[in-house]
Amino acid sequence: ETGVTQSPTHLIKTRGQQVTLRCSSQSGHNTVSWYQQALGQGPQFIFQYYREEENGRGNFPPRFSGLQFPNYSSELNVNALELDDSALYLCASSLRGSPDTQYFGPGTRLTVL
Amino acid sequence: AQSVSQHNHHVILSEAASLELGCNYSYGGTVNLFWYVQYPGQHLQLLLKYFSGDPLVKGIKGFEAEFIKSKFSFNLRKPSVQWSDTAEYFCAVRSSSNTGKLIFGQGTTLQVKP
Repeated sequence: ETGVTQSPTHLIKTRGQQVTLRCSSQSGHNTVSWYQQALGQGPQFIFQYYREEENGRGNFPPRFSGLQFPNYSSELNVNALELDDSALYLCASSLRGSPDTQYFGPGTRLTVL
Repeated sequence: AQSVSQHNHHVILSEAASLELGCNYSYGGTVNLFWYVQYPGQHLQLLLKYFSGDPLVKGIKGFEAEFIKSKFSFNLRKPSVQWSDTAEYFCAVRSSSNTGKLIFGQGTTLQVKP
């Protein structure tokens, strides 16, 4: 059984650019959630994907968007990067059910200059 | 709005000391509760969870937590900490009717001195 993997590990972008982060779910999981963790803070929920559709969204602007693919992997896209977008971006996968448990990947560290 | 408060931001203990980390949440409905741990250089790992039933739940590595509904609390405990318990600990809550959105506390950094 493979765990949640994310790529890339680190990324440096400049303000105004666009970025795509990737996540592969744990084997057997069909739901992916994305979180933003700023330095010294707990993770904040961005959105969740299930059956390739957005299934719940946190308090993030539309320039944060995502995709889920038929193999349950997922992408997080952020447009028009701002300095405050610098953070650790976490992906968590789970098996849809009631209730389910989310398992986290190692994260992608994004730095916006 | 849902929120989670972890009272201790930084805790320093000697090995063999007892640990209790506080967690209070704000939500009026039925909740699922979690403690996650992040060891240095590693990713978030599930320590334990409460969905229903016995309010005293046991997790990995000798940790346990007690759900007290009347106090909206889910405190984490360990009778005797080890140096290897040095990590950041996060409490999280989720509405039981919404399996997506986890609300995390700010985290508590635990430093165990050998």
